[in-house]
Amino acid sequence: GAVVSQHPSRVICKSGTSVKIECRSLDFQATTMFWYRQFPKKSLMLMATSNEGSKATYEQGVEKDKFLINHASLTLSTLTVTSAHPEDSSFYICSAPGPQTSYEQYFGPGTRLTVT
Amino acid sequence: RKEVEQDPGPFNVPEGATVAFNCTYSNSASQSFFWYRQDCRKEPKLLMSVYSSGNEDGRFTAQLNRASQYISLLIRDSKLSDSATYLCAVSRSNDYKLSFGAGTTVTVRA
Repeated sequence: GAVVSQHPSRVICKSGTSVKIECRSLDFQATTMFWYRQFPKKSLMLMATSNEGSKATYEQGVEKDKFLINHASLTLSTLTVTSAHPEDSSFYICSAPGPQTSYEQYFGPGTRLTVT
Repeated sequence: RKEVEQDPGPFNVPEGATVAFNCTYSNSASQSFFWYRQDCRKEPKLLMSVYSSGNEDGRFTAQLNRASQYISLLIRDSKLSDSATYLCAVSRSNDYKLSFGAGTTVTVRA
């Protein structure tokens, strides 16, 4: 099946700093990728849709200036959490529609962010 | 009202038992339905898509009830390895965005 990777898998940063998370489709091209956030024992919440060659579209309530998304190529999307605060600590997961069936999404392994 | 709702459980069942649970969705325009499995601190992995006619994959059976707007998952002959959180997800046909439920936790005991 299609493979999506994320880097880093875990990051600890200080409050006020910025953190960049990379999402790569390893064996297929993805013009669209999705970024989710999951708090403990909660559902995955869609944050934004990353579009190759155009601006990301953000879900209601997600600050676009805080969560910067860049879809630099057909295999790479990055999420930068700017001026991170402890409440941004969460599990961030990206996904990409599969190459065979767009309805089937493949998830990266996730990035666990802890802001101290 | 949340777009997708699930009974959080937990469902604690012995090995070999059958366990079933539902997921309701509020948007009647939803077109695609999925069950994902998520292990602790891991990403979701697709378990199965849910088709209108219902579908079966080994010990797992999924059903869709459009009239009542819910999907179900049934696990037969439970194994210890089935212990996980099961997430249902729905999407509209035009944007592939997935809306997830909060998950149903299943624990299979020896």
